[in-house]
Amino acid sequence: EDKVVQSPLSLVVHEGDTVTLNCSYEVTNFRSLLWYKQEKKAPTFLFMLTSSGIEKKSGRLSSILDKKELFSILNITATQTGDSAVYLCAVNNNNDMRFGAGTRLTVKP
Amino acid sequence: EAQVTQNPRYLITVTGKKLTVTCSQNMNHEYMSWYRQDPGLGLRQIYYSMNVEVTDKGDVPEGYKVSRKEKRNFPLILESPSPNQTSLYFCASSGSGGRNQPQHFGDGTRLSIL
Repeated sequence: EDKVVQSPLSLVVHEGDTVTLNCSYEVTNFRSLLWYKQEKKAPTFLFMLTSSGIEKKSGRLSSILDKKELFSILNITATQTGDSAVYLCAVNNNNDMRFGAGTRLTVKP
Repeated sequence: EAQVTQNPRYLITVTGKKLTVTCSQNMNHEYMSWYRQDPGLGLRQIYYSMNVEVTDKGDVPEGYKVSRKEKRNFPLILESPSPNQTSLYFCASSGSGGRNQPQHFGDGTRLSIL
């Protein structure tokens, strides 16, 4: 059965810390892996990864995919309180999207 | 403004009373999908639609119906709601049949079935 597993489930850090969020998957017909940020409402798109080893970067956030080991990481450097959210990993396997349970990140001042 | 609009945003109702949650997108997207989000379980797909008149079951379709008569609309129907359908529901859409395209999500509908 296809599955997406995120770790840790919850993380508390202080402003300025660097964090690494993990996402491993077992999915047939892999197409892409996506990261979303969910604050109070709808998930918002961060990155889409399709190829191994190519880092995607946006400001303090970056992500990379390893298709051989079937995982991805999301890095956030110099965290801010505004980074507090649930981070969702999702894998696209042709027609549908399978999500992990999410990592709840809390950044304290 | 490009958006996915869900209605209602909140609903409290009773077991067995049919309800419909509407979803509309203004981006001319082909692919639309419904998810439910429960604590510790993440987002689970209920139904999806690749295009008009084409719908398929996701992971948790039991107790739900959908229809896709028009490209922009994808309503979720609970014919006989039960308490285990109490959840936060999201509608989402993307172009190109969903393949390799990030989805745009609505703001969610919180349903409570008593």
